[in-house]
Amino acid sequence: QKEVEQDPGPLSVPEGAIVSLNCTYSNSAFQYFMWYRQYSRKGPELLMYTYSSGNKEDGRFTAQVDKSSKYISLFIRDSQPSDSATYLCAMTRVGGSYIPTFGRGTSLIVHP
Amino acid sequence: GAGVSQSPSNKVTEKGKDVELRCDPISGHTALYWYRQSLGQGLEFLIYFQGNSAPDKSGLPSDRFSAERTGGSVSTLTIQRTQQEDSAVYLCASSLGPEAFFGQGTRLTVV
Repeated sequence: QKEVEQDPGPLSVPEGAIVSLNCTYSNSAFQYFMWYRQYSRKGPELLMYTYSSGNKEDGRFTAQVDKSSKYISLFIRDSQPSDSATYLCAMTRVGGSYIPTFGRGTSLIVHP
Repeated sequence: GAGVSQSPSNKVTEKGKDVELRCDPISGHTALYWYRQSLGQGLEFLIYFQGNSAPDKSGLPSDRFSAERTGGSVSTLTIQRTQQEDSAVYLCASSLGPEAFFGQGTRLTVV
């Protein structure tokens, strides 16, 4: 079992839909949780970062962490064709080195 | 510079040749990471540098892979005697804390 599991998709939605992207993890030591967006043939771009449990909102994006279930989510409201990309979750431990462990990424397609 | 810079952006090499990939991190970032991303796969951790500490090499797949970081800044990833399975995008990232910022990657093709 991988430390971080993420459904690779693809996930195809119509423009304007609410998108839910999710990851599960097995290591309870993870405390920092990040979402990256990666366009084709580009490097990953940091979207959001949360510490421990709870919600964080930034514009159309909301990140949610449920440590009791070892489950994190990224919601995208009013999705746009420009949101079409691969979304990678990542997480790190507290203390020592912050080497992020990544999920496989979910491919999202938002069609007009 | 404003972001992490990697060079070259693309590299085609013959099987058995050595290659060097370069990474210029964000100025002031103490941590530097190398990852590998194969087609349709997630990011595979290779090596981590933090300040003057000994690097964490636990992700290097074989002894053909090595990396160094000079003066706490620029890093070079070297792959010796390249094999076709080394074909991938090699990503470098730097950070001050948990959030890592990535470069655009070097696409390596071994023919």
